[in-house]
Amino acid sequence: DSGVTQTPKHLITATGQRVTLRCSPRSGDLSVYWYQQSLDQGLQFLIQYYNGEERAKGNILERFSAQQFPDLHSELNLSSLELGDSALYFCASSDSGTANYGYTFGSGTRLTVV
Amino acid sequence: LAKTTQPISMDSYEGQEVNITCSHNNIATNDYITWYQQFPSQGPRFIIQGYKTKVTNEVASLFIPADRKSSTLSLPRVSLSDTAVYYCLGDTTGNMLTFGGGTRLMVKP
Repeated sequence: DSGVTQTPKHLITATGQRVTLRCSPRSGDLSVYWYQQSLDQGLQFLIQYYNGEERAKGNILERFSAQQFPDLHSELNLSSLELGDSALYFCASSDSGTANYGYTFGSGTRLTVV
Repeated sequence: LAKTTQPISMDSYEGQEVNITCSHNNIATNDYITWYQQFPSQGPRFIIQGYKTKVTNEVASLFIPADRKSSTLSLPRVSLSDTAVYYCLGDTTGNMLTFGGGTRLMVKP
């Protein structure tokens, strides 16, 4: 158990639908990072939040959004889902706003869009 | 960004020492070299990090020459459970970690 909790573990939904993925960071960590991993794209950085504020943005689609709440948990919202959105979505956390000391990943949410 | 280059795949046998070399020619002065391990359908796991010379922990050793243009992850006496993808990261001073394709290590009995 890495200390980073992601729910649900698996999600199957239809095209056009909207889903919400949830992440609880390790106790004491202020930063949350979201990554997408698909077979053909590898691990792609989506977005980072630090203590409730957006800190960095990667190749995140406009159909995707995220937020970090006062209790530091984060949610990734995916809307108008397409088949190509099927992937593993990982959340990671760290105690600082930079990646210099590495961070801890959760076990991921596997999203299947049918 | 410090782009890293590492072998796409490697094969080994149980009990052997495995060395995975990573090239990072344009690594910045402040960047650390960090290695992650990822098993199928699991999140990457931090293995080891170093700046210069040699670092050793209970899992692996990391060798970094003086010019820091490359690094070698050494896994002593691998077992079947070490079969995984190993990522070398050379840009850690920004906000996020950038993962390349990694090295798929297959340990055979």
